[in-house]
Amino acid sequence: GENVEQHPSTLSVQEGDSAVIKCTYSDSASNYFPWYKQELGKRPQLIIDIRSNVGEKKDQRIAVTLNKTAKHFSLHITETQPEDSAVYFCAARDYGGSQGNLIFGKGTKLSVKP
Amino acid sequence: DAGITQSPRYKITETGRQVTLMCHQTWSHSYMFWYRQDLGHGLRLIYYSAAADITDKGEVPDGYVVSRSKTENFPLTLESATRSQTSVYFCASSDLFYRSRGGVQYFGPGTRLTVT
Repeated sequence: GENVEQHPSTLSVQEGDSAVIKCTYSDSASNYFPWYKQELGKRPQLIIDIRSNVGEKKDQRIAVTLNKTAKHFSLHITETQPEDSAVYFCAARDYGGSQGNLIFGKGTKLSVKP
Repeated sequence: DAGITQSPRYKITETGRQVTLMCHQTWSHSYMFWYRQDLGHGLRLIYYSAAADITDKGEVPDGYVVSRSKTENFPLTLESATRSQTSVYFCASSDLFYRSRGGVQYFGPGTRLTVT
């Protein structure tokens, strides 16, 4: 089955700097890769996702890149702000007729220092 | 986000007791999920359901029972609670395109369960 590894587990940056979180997956059939943000005491919420037919996707200050050959994908946050402080989860799954469900990484706690 | 709710939000129970966590969604989503969240483990799937009366095991189903008699409800029951089941439980739902296009999962607010 799918296995998703996420690094680093904690990340501290200064406000205005960039933050990068990386995930690797094991199942080459996986074709959908969402990222969720979870603020303290709140529910996880989707912030961006990418499908395997796309190499990069951007939404304002966040972007996700996918390298299918190497089986890894990354979340990039530019111009970080204190409100970006949260735990970020990556996930992977194989959709389209398979039994696969989302497999989540263990999360990265991002702290943005003012 | 108000479309998916969980109750209770907090629960303390004793070892060996049965406890049921409720999940209700108003979007008529086909798919519903139960996850547990523990430090160092991220989100792990307990059970999921593709439609009413269709349920299947996830990664960590032992000690849990689910049912889905109505599309909008997906209760999770711990038949005999153990301390290892102390966790935060999240319910989630997704539309019928979950299988064919990936489908966004929308999470409920969570239930913090403590087993003493």
